[in-house]
Amino acid sequence: GAGVSQSPSNKVTEKGKDVELRCDPISGHTALYWYRQSLGQGLEFLIYFQGNSAPDKSGLPSDRFSAERTGGSVSTLTIQRTQQEDSAVYLCASRPPGLAGVSTDTQYFGPGTRLTVL
Amino acid sequence: AQSVTQLGSHVSVSEGALVLLRCNYSSSVPPYLFWYVQYPNQGLQLLLKYTSAATLVKGINGFEAEFKKSETSFHLTKPSAHMSDAAEYFCAVSSVRGNEKLTFGTGTRLTIIP
Repeated sequence: GAGVSQSPSNKVTEKGKDVELRCDPISGHTALYWYRQSLGQGLEFLIYFQGNSAPDKSGLPSDRFSAERTGGSVSTLTIQRTQQEDSAVYLCASRPPGLAGVSTDTQYFGPGTRLTVL
Repeated sequence: AQSVTQLGSHVSVSEGALVLLRCNYSSSVPPYLFWYVQYPNQGLQLLLKYTSAATLVKGINGFEAEFKKSETSFHLTKPSAHMSDAAEYFCAVSSVRGNEKLTFGTGTRLTIIP
């Protein structure tokens, strides 16, 4: 079946502009995660959604970063007033609910969006 | 708090030789442990996972890993390296309870020498 998809695959923007990154999880997956992969910081967690709510936003690096999820499906990560240090690959992952509410614990990753801030 | 340490940011092995990628974890609660592989310009693909069942876990492409609680290790091995194994490998930990966000190691880039 279809995997996690992300768009755009590449985004080049100028410092100070806002950007929106989109994630389409695997159908039926209730949990959704955003991670960031950068040369200086490695792979780091940003935010976690369960359904449409975000019980863990602890990885968002500043208030310029926000994310939402609608209909328990698509998620958008928004970065306002982009800075050069925001340049990275942004990865989305989704996870199915498992039986009887027990997690199946495997996260499936999308191909990522490479963001370059000039 | 949880963390993962991958020893060796770059590992080179000859084709046909043993692959050994090291991972040590720190966790205050029973962990789930994962190895992911990333090929150039691609996303992360799950190789294998430990979720408190068998301590020796077999994954895709001939890889396996052994969970050793006494050593807090989860090293990845493959008996015979193939050229196609060249990639970056990430070890990750998550908690058995909670939102199960992944905490990754810094990665090991595996190069295969023909």
